[in-house]
Amino acid sequence: DGGITQSPKYLFRKEGQNVTLSCEQNLNHDAMYWYRQDPGQGLRLIYYSQIVNDFQKGDIAEGYSVSREKKESFPLTVTSAQKNPTAFYLCASSEPQGIDYGYTFGSGTRLTVV
Amino acid sequence: AQSVAQPEDQVNVAEGNPLTVKCTYSVSGNPYLFWYVQYPNRGLQFLLKYITGDNLVKGSYGFEAEFNKSQTSFHLKKPSALVSDSALYFCAATTATNAGKSTFGDGTTLTVKP
Repeated sequence: DGGITQSPKYLFRKEGQNVTLSCEQNLNHDAMYWYRQDPGQGLRLIYYSQIVNDFQKGDIAEGYSVSREKKESFPLTVTSAQKNPTAFYLCASSEPQGIDYGYTFGSGTRLTVV
Repeated sequence: AQSVAQPEDQVNVAEGNPLTVKCTYSVSGNPYLFWYVQYPNRGLQFLLKYITGDNLVKGSYGFEAEFNKSQTSFHLKKPSALVSDSALYFCAATTATNAGKSTFGDGTTLTVKP
């Protein structure tokens, strides 16, 4: 079945450490997105990519980095510059313009700073 | 800038009663509107969308939503609620000129009591 796979499901980060969250899709979607979810704040866009080797900052990109070397993969790195990284991270993908079909989401990664 | 408001953090209904989850939006141009549902510690699942055409759209699990252009609303409805409908619901909006990036509301927690 086609879908989006996020790994790991749970991740623990020490202070000052960079961690990378994986997102892989086999839907042949061009566009991919990373959102951060905090309680009571809905979803906030971190980065998005509409095509391989191109990505754009979202509303809260500071302290995060991404790459899009393959159509199927859009990993997110949470760097030590992100001061409050504890959150639920969601990856999504969509058809080229993401308009008619909405988003398909992964199951999320819960990141906790220890 | 586009925005989505879900004015109720929480909606409580009795099983078998009709339910409504409210959403209003603000976009420049014709809106593309979506509803998603999220169960605990999971990603969001697509429920339904409005792109064009009939103002009443039907989606998964018996849900429907009514697009009202004059009131800039897109309320989610179901004629008879089930306990299993209890979840977090998100409304989202985008436009053709916004490159498919959706803006999400803060979410509404629906609780259906037996």
